[in-house]
Amino acid sequence: DAKTTQPTSMDCAEGRAANLPCNHSTISGNEYVYWYRQIHSQGPQYIIHGLKNNETNEMASLIITEDRKSSTLILPHATLRDTAVYYCIATTSGTYKYIFGTGTRLKVLA
Amino acid sequence: DTAVSQTPKYLVTQMGNDKSIKCEQNLGHDTMYWYKQDSKKFLKIMFSYNNKELIINETVPNRFSPKSPDKAHLNLHINSLELGDSAVYFCASSQLRPGGNEKLFFGSGTQLSVL
Repeated sequence: DAKTTQPTSMDCAEGRAANLPCNHSTISGNEYVYWYRQIHSQGPQYIIHGLKNNETNEMASLIITEDRKSSTLILPHATLRDTAVYYCIATTSGTYKYIFGTGTRLKVLA
Repeated sequence: DTAVSQTPKYLVTQMGNDKSIKCEQNLGHDTMYWYKQDSKKFLKIMFSYNNKELIINETVPNRFSPKSPDKAHLNLHINSLELGDSAVYFCASSQLRPGGNEKLFFGSGTQLSVL
């Protein structure tokens, strides 16, 4: 699995877009990028994933650069409830082994 | 209905005791996992099971013995508990799918405190 690098922490004003970067410069052609988040001490929650195209769902958008070496998770209108640790994972299908790094602690400020 | 449920939510016990944590998923998934999150919040995989068979064992001490009686259940038994076993243990499940659409669903965690 490709190693991912994320900033340790970020702040975002409530109502603004939160843009969380992830670097995965060693990603291979068959590795997907997944994003999860962990609110306080709850179990991590799936947000979105993609291979090479940009993706959007009801929670967020995922922008993957053309060379696939980095991606950005966008929460379009951050709320206080989005305060959490966000994890970026690069892994192949059928891996049975999702490795979580240290993630980015996002704090949404009122 | 809770998709992945773990019991108990909290477990406080003495060093040297043996304890079990149970996990059940009602999603029809064929793969289940145990993760450990220590005090530094690092989330580390311990075991993966696919169709009741052990697939991944991440060099966990053999005091930890997972058991999967069927696809919907994965239990974790811990013998001779040590102080360093104090952590939050998360169960998760997923379904192998083509196209990488393999989302992990996590339980709410079991907070284990060894005194």
